Amino acid sequence: EIVLTQSPATLSLSPGERATLSCRASQSIGNYLAWYQQKPGQAPRLLMYDASNRATGIPARFSGSGSGTDFTLTISSLEPEDFAVYYCQQRRKWPPVTFGQGTRLEIK
Amino acid sequence: QVQLVQSGAEVEKPGASVKVSCKASGYTFAGYYLHWVRQAPGQGLEWMGWFNPDSGGTEFAQKFQGRVTMTGDTSISTGYMELRRLRSDDTAVYYCARQSWSFDIVTGYGPFDIWGQGTLVTVSS
Repeated sequence: EIVLTQSPATLSLSPGERATLSCRASQSIGNYLAWYQQKPGQAPRLLMYDASNRATGIPARFSGSGSGTDFTLTISSLEPEDFAVYYCQQRRKWPPVTFGQGTRLEIK
Repeated sequence: QVQLVQSGAEVEKPGASVKVSCKASGYTFAGYYLHWVRQAPGQGLEWMGWFNPDSGGTEFAQKFQGRVTMTGDTSISTGYMELRRLRSDDTAVYYCARQSWSFDIVTGYGPFDIWGQGTLVTVSS
């Protein structure tokens, strides 16, 4: 099973700041990593479908990078609606489908 | 409009079973794998398994094997997840999610591009 470890657990920033979220895989997964955003009371939403490609309708302030075992999701300038929980998911080796434990992005 | 609409909240006693439905619209139900993911209160996402509406095939996470069934009815574009022998730690929001494409050697497994709104299952005596 591929284990995904996200850091930090919680990130406190202000609107307009840059956010950098990390996801590390227990073995190489190429660029087969997806990112999801979840707001309170809502289902997760697909943000990035591989390490660096945005899903349909996702604003350009969201970007991703990485390959192998280390990945980063960057939000260039935080908007109020970006404060949420973010999960990574590996798409390289199923089953099982695995997610990271999440990073909570909160308003400072 | 492509969407998944789930059945409503359920309250069950320990030892009982629950069956959650997930109705697809706006796309060909048989053409996409359907996954089930749950989220306990304040916790992260936990994958439970998948259902292939075209073949009826399934794959489950090890911790749910023997306790979960995933089925579907292509005539009404609806998938179902049944969990048996419920325990208090099964209290969670259960989501269905569409896998955007099947496995491809170049692009890997498709991510989950469409999610249901979630169904809260509460297990309490």
